[in-house]
Amino acid sequence: DTAVSQTPKYLVTQMGNDKSIKCEQNLGHDTMYWYKQDSKKFLKIMFSYNNKELIINETVPNRFSPKSPDKAHLNLHINSLELGDSAVYFCASSQRAGGSYEQYFGPGTRLTVT
Amino acid sequence: GEDVEQSLFLSVREGDSSVINCTYTDSSSTYLYWYKQEPGAGLQLLTYIFSNMDMKQDQRLTVLLNKKDKHLSLRIADTQTGDSAIYFCAERSGYGNNRLAFGKGNQVVVIP
Repeated sequence: DTAVSQTPKYLVTQMGNDKSIKCEQNLGHDTMYWYKQDSKKFLKIMFSYNNKELIINETVPNRFSPKSPDKAHLNLHINSLELGDSAVYFCASSQRAGGSYEQYFGPGTRLTVT
Repeated sequence: GEDVEQSLFLSVREGDSSVINCTYTDSSSTYLYWYKQEPGAGLQLLTYIFSNMDMKQDQRLTVLLNKKDKHLSLRIADTQTGDSAIYFCAERSGYGNNRLAFGKGNQVVVIP
């Protein structure tokens, strides 16, 4: 059973295109996240949603727009893709209240912009 | 803001112990985590420690936390080839938004 899943796993596209990455979790968590991992493996949070409400929005270009249709899904839409957007994007989820708040990660989507 | 530092590379022989270190800056951190990333895979949570503890043991893993020095370490006993991966420490801010700040990662290579 996949806990946090992402599609697609690989995405190759040209500059200027618009693309979306989808994420779903079946853990019953109420909080979901998007992270970007660059070529040096540095991992940085981009967005976080709690029960469909945006709670973290780091300094990310507004070409990136997350959408959460329900608390089990958090999609990432990227407009006008640039070369610098090439990275691995990870979705994660956690339970916000109580406990150790550990985040569970999806397998990642490797985006290559040419 | 949070800032987490890790060293970059560790080579260890199979069967030996490996120790990975991490320093963090946010004294309000409530939980600290260790994640493992195998090549081409996502991050797998290995273990975590609450900030009022100084040690946690979980099978082959031992986490030590020195809150005064803001230093976290992960010791892997009897290192196996399957332990070859990048290890990330992360701190959770105490401010309720569940933001995790990750270190740059430490690549561990296990030599058979």
